[in-house]
Amino acid sequence: SQQGEEDPQALSIQEGENATMNCSYKTSINNLQWYRQNSGRGLVHLILIRSNEREKHSGRLRVTLDTSKKSSSLLITASRAADTASYFCATDTDRGSTLGRLYFGRGTQLTVWP
Amino acid sequence: DGGITQSPKYLFRKEGQNVTLSCEQNLNHDAMYWYRQDPGQGLRLIYYSQIVNDFQKGDIAEGYSVSREKKESFPLTVTSAQKNPTAFYLCASSRGKALAGVYTYEQYFGPGTRLTVT
Repeated sequence: SQQGEEDPQALSIQEGENATMNCSYKTSINNLQWYRQNSGRGLVHLILIRSNEREKHSGRLRVTLDTSKKSSSLLITASRAADTASYFCATDTDRGSTLGRLYFGRGTQLTVWP
Repeated sequence: DGGITQSPKYLFRKEGQNVTLSCEQNLNHDAMYWYRQDPGQGLRLIYYSQIVNDFQKGDIAEGYSVSREKKESFPLTVTSAQKNPTAFYLCASSRGKALAGVYTYEQYFGPGTRLTVT
């Protein structure tokens, strides 16, 4: 089934550094979303970018979308230890029959060291 | 205080027993979802429901069953037919939001239930 794939699987950085995670997907989409999951918890929505947008910002988060390459990136600037979590991209599909369904990747595990 | 709740947080069962996981939301969302998450894996969709009294199978529905008798509630039963039921189960809900003529569905997740079957 359609699924985003994040890269890298794991990322380890020092506080203050920037963290970049990438996501690739397979089919046409209406929008792409990024979620965060702290260990043992539910996912929390971070940001949504529509297929006609190329870049979006929210606080220290910057998301880009390249629909020609079917890829997206999530940049977290000036990382903090509290950013340690797994980050997932999720895509919908432009097929109406599965309206509302999201397809999640396997996630990137980010560790930020103090 | 609006949100989505799952209970219990931890659940232990013997092999061969059916077990039902609870999911309740007071966000007035039409759509609800059940996912399974295994270590190092992403989320795999078990079942989803876009409206009361209707639901669809996801990618891994075998060995699971659901009901959607009320908008607020979407319980998941893990049956004895599920060969490897030990996992972290996440429930989510969403409501379509129109943006420039296209609906987007941001999902709100519960805290999860960790099921261990021995």
